Amino acid sequence: GENVEQHPSTLSVQEGDSAVIKCTYSDSASNYFPWYKQELGKRPQLIIDIRSNVGEKKDQRIAVTLNKTAKHFSLHITETQPEDSAVYFCAASNPEGRGSTLGRLYFGRGTQLTVWP
Amino acid sequence: DAGVTQSPTHLIKTRGQQVTLRCSPKSGHDTVSWYQQALGQGPQFIFQYYEEEERQRGNFPDRFSGHQFPNYSSELNVNALLLGDSALYLCASSPWPSDYGYTFGSGTRLTVV
Repeated sequence: GENVEQHPSTLSVQEGDSAVIKCTYSDSASNYFPWYKQELGKRPQLIIDIRSNVGEKKDQRIAVTLNKTAKHFSLHITETQPEDSAVYFCAASNPEGRGSTLGRLYFGRGTQLTVWP
Repeated sequence: DAGVTQSPTHLIKTRGQQVTLRCSPKSGHDTVSWYQQALGQGPQFIFQYYEEEERQRGNFPDRFSGHQFPNYSSELNVNALLLGDSALYLCASSPWPSDYGYTFGSGTRLTVV
């Protein structure tokens, strides 16, 4: 099955700096890569996603890049703010595939991002 | 528009007991997936239900079972609870067959003592 590795496990930045979280995946059939933000005691919330036919996607201060050849994707947060502090999870899936991977997300272990004022 | 609703929010059980967790999917979604999130870990896929059938299953023992009702709501049952079953159990709904539109509930925090 798919294996998603996520680094770093913790990340501390000063307010206004940029933060980068990196993930790798193992299954070349994966073609959908969402990122979730989970605040303490709350549900994971989708913040951005990218599909394999796109190399980069941006939404205001958040961007995601994908390198299918190298099987890695990254989350970039610019101009970080204290409210960005949370655990961020990357995930991979094959939403329209068949067989054992259909219908499930494979998550990384998460990155605890702390933004200091 | 109501999102994914889970109940109860918190639960404390004793080892060996059985527990039932409930989930109502987002309006318009007909597929329900369950995930287990241990402390400090990413969510792990348990299983997925569509048309009242289990469609996919992750690497969880048979003590974990589920059900989906005609109104698309779902239950997760865990028998013979172990201390290691303590976790946040998340329900996610999506339209079949893809998970592009995954929406998570707030979860049920299960503590086994």
